[in-house]
Amino acid sequence: GQSLEQPSEVTAVEGAIVQINCTYQTSGFYGLSWYQQHDGGAPTFLSYNGLDGLEETGRFSSFLSRSDSYGYLLLQELQMKDSASYFCAVIGDSSYKLIFGSGTRLLVRP
Amino acid sequence: DVKVTQSSRYLVKRTGEKVFLECVQDMDHENMFWYRQDPGLGLRLIYFSYDVKMKEKGDIPEGYSVSREKKERFSLILESASTNQTSMYLCASSAAYEQYFGPGTRLTVT
Repeated sequence: GQSLEQPSEVTAVEGAIVQINCTYQTSGFYGLSWYQQHDGGAPTFLSYNGLDGLEETGRFSSFLSRSDSYGYLLLQELQMKDSASYFCAVIGDSSYKLIFGSGTRLLVRP
Repeated sequence: DVKVTQSSRYLVKRTGEKVFLECVQDMDHENMFWYRQDPGLGLRLIYFSYDVKMKEKGDIPEGYSVSREKKERFSLILESASTNQTSMYLCASSAAYEQYFGPGTRLTVT
């Protein structure tokens, strides 16, 4: 089968750093994406890793290790508006269809 | 800005009714997707299309069909709605690894 594992909930303090891990087991692998979804909103794209290593976009970074079937999303200088659900998603083949994890709910406290 | 629109934000239907959910994108993307989102299960792919009149089953196609007669429009059809199809339905489009989501349709089947 195909599965992605990520923690269901994470709580952190405003201004802190938080890391959300994702491990995957899929029949094919092109890359790992991360999406953010606020309550009542649509998922929005955050990052994509097709190769091993770290990708940085402002306060957010994403890491991939293909040999370990593992990735993470790193959020720095947390703000209250970062409270949302974060989904890792594998692109399994050239059709670009996504296989999603069940999501991590991040709560940022003052 | 990419825009993906869905025909309704909220929909209430009765068991056994035929239901049409419509999705339109304005960026000339080849790929379009239909997901359903349920608490604790993340987003699950129902169907996707990589070209006009082309469609492929996703992970949970049972009870659904799709239509793509024009490049910008992708319709999801529930042939005979059942209560277990009560869910949030999200449409997305992409040209490559980044998917753009519509606002979602919350469907309730009573």
